[in-house]
Order: sequence, then structure tokens, then C-alpha cells
Amino acid sequence: GAVVSQHPSWVICKSGTSVKIECRSLDFQATTMFWYRQFPKQSLMLMATSNEGSKATYEQGVEKDKFLINHASLTLSTLTVTSAHPEDSSFYICSARVHRYEQYFGPGTRLTVT
Amino acid sequence: GQNIDQPTEMTATEGAIVQINCTYQTSGFNGLFWYQQHAGEAPTFLSYNVLDGLEEKGRFSSFLSRSKGYSYLLLKELQMKDSASYLCAVRDPRDSNYQLIWGAGTKLIIKP
Repeated sequence: GAVVSQHPSWVICKSGTSVKIECRSLDFQATTMFWYRQFPKQSLMLMATSNEGSKATYEQGVEKDKFLINHASLTLSTLTVTSAHPEDSSFYICSARVHRYEQYFGPGTRLTVT
Repeated sequence: GQNIDQPTEMTATEGAIVQINCTYQTSGFNGLFWYQQHAGEAPTFLSYNVLDGLEEKGRFSSFLSRSKGYSYLLLKELQMKDSASYLCAVRDPRDSNYQLIWGAGTKLIIKP
């Protein structure tokens, strides 16, 4: 149980285009989903917290107009990187809170912007 | 402030035992997690401690001392596949979404 999927697993896009990443909880309903970014050899950096049916809460320094998060249902949250630039190239990981104690992570999406 | 400290890197030998320490200074405490992350992959949950003491799960054990702001992850009978980063995280009690505060991770290198 508690399986989280992400799609796509990797994507290459041109600078200036937008990319949508989907995060799904497959066998449970996730009230809260978290979006992280991880640069090589660095730890996880929380970008935003997403609750179903409400606006996402962004961490300081994360541009909400650039990283659009939608959590329309209890099993799906999406992150759209708008007008992507090479510095946005990173490993994006979502997680879903199953209950109070644990976060289960999706497999991650590796984004490369050329 | 919120601060979680772990060693950056550790090396151990296959078949041996290794202890990865984590100290935290946070405004409040509501549980500590250990996650394993292999290179290029997402983290996977290892353990959760909220009360003082040792939690054992197979080859992995996790210890917590709340008064000392200290935890460790103990890995026994090390295998090559245990080469990974180990992340310590504390749950932020001030956050209604149970957000985690993450350490930078400890890269564990296992040598034959």
C-alpha cells in the first residue's frame, strides 16, 4: 500500500516552454501532498505544500507564478514549471502524507532544460 | 531556528556495523524520521521515532533521545546495496500539514 507515482519520470524541454509533472496516490487518498526539488549532491528542498481543494502554500523563495501547483482531487496533484530555464533543471519529487506520521515519495521526475 | 546536523559522508565495510548520528535543534518536536535515498531515486521510509528508545526493524535500528536532541540509525550486517544517502527529518509540530524539516543527508559508502 501507499504507492505514489509520478509522470513523467524524465523530461527534456527547451528553454521558455512549460512542463507539467503529475503526482498520483494510487491506493490511498492524500489530503496533503508535498513538492520537493533536489539538486545534485544536495538534500531535499521543500517547494510547496498542496492541500486538496485549496491553494498551495509556497516556501520562501519559491515563485508561485513560475511553479504552478494544482491539487484538484485527493489522488492527483500537478506541478507546472512555466517558462522553464536551464537553472530549473533538477530532480522534482512529490510526496503524499498518508496519515500523521509518514510521507511516501513518488519516484521523482528529472527535468533537463536545454 | 531549525537545524538538523548529520555527518556528510561515512565509509564502512561490507558485513560490518555502522551508526549514523543526527542531532537536531528545533522549536518543538513531534517525531523523527529516517529515510534512505539511492542515487537518482526518491527517498524511501525507514523508521519513525517519537518516544525515547530503540526501534528495531530487521538489520536497521533507530534510537531517539528527546532530552539530548539526538538520534542515530544503526545498520548491521552491511550489504553493498546499503550504499546510499540517509536522511534524518524532524516533523514540525507547528505545521498543520505535518511538514518535515530535513537534514542534508549522510552519504554512506560501503566497501567490500
